[in-house]
Amino acid sequence: AQSVTQLGSHVSVSEGALVLLRCNYSSSVPPYLFWYVQYPNQGLQLLLKYTSAATLVKGINGFEAEFKKSETSFHLTKPSAHMSDAAEYFCAVTSNTGNQFYFGTGTSLTVIP
Amino acid sequence: EAQVTQNPRYLITVTGKKLTVTCSQNMNHEYMSWYRQDPGLGLRQIYYSMNVEVTDKGDVPEGYKVSRKEKRNFPLILESPSPNQTSLYFCASRATPGVYNSPLHFGNGTRLTVT
Repeated sequence: AQSVTQLGSHVSVSEGALVLLRCNYSSSVPPYLFWYVQYPNQGLQLLLKYTSAATLVKGINGFEAEFKKSETSFHLTKPSAHMSDAAEYFCAVTSNTGNQFYFGTGTSLTVIP
Repeated sequence: EAQVTQNPRYLITVTGKKLTVTCSQNMNHEYMSWYRQDPGLGLRQIYYSMNVEVTDKGDVPEGYKVSRKEKRNFPLILESPSPNQTSLYFCASRATPGVYNSPLHFGNGTRLTVT
């Protein structure tokens, strides 16, 4: 079965600093990977998705992720953190059939003023 | 506005009292699914539906039922809730289940407490 692992359940950065949230996938076939963001008391919103067209994927709110097959990684980055980026972030992968999504355990991002 | 609507947002009930959480989407999506979110465990899939009258178990289906009689609705039924079903529940839909990179669209969640 497909799975994703998010290293670091809590990440704190200063406002203006680089954001790096880690995601590694376990897959025997090319995966379809997603990053979602969850703000307090809200559902999950799509940040970006990997479609195999390009290894560097740009998403909303200045976030981007790079697919690295050699490292089985799909880390999420943002050059400069804003206070509004404080949220929980989830990496996800679809199953081989495309019928199911498997989510990581999430990373809570705190932005320090 | 395209959206997935869940009701209620908050629900407190007692052990054994049947309840239903409703989910409706207005995007004409074929695929719908239910997840529960628990601290440290992320989101886990309960059930999913590829289309009307087609449902299948996810990773944690025990204690839950679903039905898909209409394309837009996908209610989650707990016939005899227990305290270990206290959780945050999300409904989601997806346009084309056979397209791998078709993303999920989520509702705002239902926080269920079973005492």
